[in-house]
Amino acid sequence: EVQLVESGGGLVQPGGSLRLSCAASGFTVGSNYMSWVRQAPGKGLEWVSILYSGGSTYYADSVKGRFTISRDNSKNTLSLQMNTLGAEDTAVYYCAGAAIRSRFDYWGQGTLVTVSS
Amino acid sequence: EIVLTQSPGTLSLSPGERATLSCRASQSVSSSYLVWYQQKPGQAPRLLIYGASSRATGIPDRFSGSGSGTDFTLTISRLEPEDFAVYYCQLYGSSPLLTFGGGTKVEIK
Repeated sequence: EVQLVESGGGLVQPGGSLRLSCAASGFTVGSNYMSWVRQAPGKGLEWVSILYSGGSTYYADSVKGRFTISRDNSKNTLSLQMNTLGAEDTAVYYCAGAAIRSRFDYWGQGTLVTVSS
Repeated sequence: EIVLTQSPGTLSLSPGERATLSCRASQSVSSSYLVWYQQKPGQAPRLLIYGASSRATGIPDRFSGSGSGTDFTLTISRLEPEDFAVYYCQLYGSSPLLTFGGGTKVEIK
């Protein structure tokens, strides 16, 4: 059974940083496509970033230059380093995994990031 | 930039009725990369349909997808109580690389 478990969310002040992690079991992070998708309270889904199995990374314009996606194959985890956070980054952040990069079969339960003073 | 517009925003139906959800792209897209998800309150999205019309593993056959070019449709033939949720379409490969529609909420009438 595939499980993706996010952690690292919490309350952070505007301008601050936070690092999210996604621990995978039953699914190899380094051999598949991994993405972060967020959902602001009461809003729809917004794609944030994707890490290809080959190592290429891509970001939404709204986070480019502030967020960094990475993985640790030895720990089978995905990470999202978030810097210069603003109120607009407040959301539940989901980790999603895919064997085929265009569709995400597996999702974590999400971790809430709240940016507020 | 390709925009996905879902309609209606909310669909009020009774169990047993047919639901027809629309996803319209701002320009022609490859149906191979059009995906539908279901999301229930407090839960992560669940993959329903990929390649516009292929059901994901374990998805009941009352769910079907169709369409091409700019117009795509998700149909639920007979609504079950567990089908009341929000549905999102998603496109891969455009600019931005991944984009979601705004969602359609299917609520109990």
